[in-house]
Amino acid sequence: AQTVTQSQPEMSVQEAETVTLSCTYDTSESNYYLFWYKQPPSRQMILVIRQEAYKQQNATENRFSVNFQKAAKSFSLKISDSQLGDTAMYFCAFMKTFGNEKLTFGTGTRLTIIP
Amino acid sequence: SQTIHQWPATLVQPVGSPLSLECTVEGTSNPNLYWYRQAAGRGLQLLFYSVGIGQISSEVPQNLSASRPQDRQFILSSKKLLLSDSGFYLCAWTPAGAPDTQYFGPGTRLTVL
Repeated sequence: AQTVTQSQPEMSVQEAETVTLSCTYDTSESNYYLFWYKQPPSRQMILVIRQEAYKQQNATENRFSVNFQKAAKSFSLKISDSQLGDTAMYFCAFMKTFGNEKLTFGTGTRLTIIP
Repeated sequence: SQTIHQWPATLVQPVGSPLSLECTVEGTSNPNLYWYRQAAGRGLQLLFYSVGIGQISSEVPQNLSASRPQDRQFILSSKKLLLSDSGFYLCAWTPAGAPDTQYFGPGTRLTVL
């Protein structure tokens, strides 16, 4: 079974600064996907970024980028030039490539952007 | 474009009452559909998923059941609610044949008193 661990329950950063959220996972699979989802106060889960395990290049979406270290089973999210709208819970999630496309979530990191 | 709807948005029910939550997806055919529950202060737990009409797989034995009467409709039900059923329920979908990213609906907040 896969597990996803987010060791930072809460983080805060000043607006316009850069922040990195940590995520580690455990799996015996060689092909899989990793995701970061954002859950603002409205509680809708919003996809932030996706990484395919077979790709060595780190995914980037505007101000959001990941540092994917497959051997270390680490998948951190970096938010550059943080904005007030980035305040939310952030969840790291894992999904196998084949078979049941079940998402396994971490427990989340509550990020607060301070004006 | 595809849109996913859930209703009701909020629900308060007494213990022992029945439950029916509905999820519908627009703009796609034969999606894979999922029900997740999020307890307060926790991550999401997969409850059920469906790859087609009438095809339901359960991840966690519990007081809930799911049905898929139509291609783009997914229903979460209970005959008798328990206090422990309280939580935030999220429906998600992925395109059939390319199920590599799940997209979530707005969710239903259920409080059982």
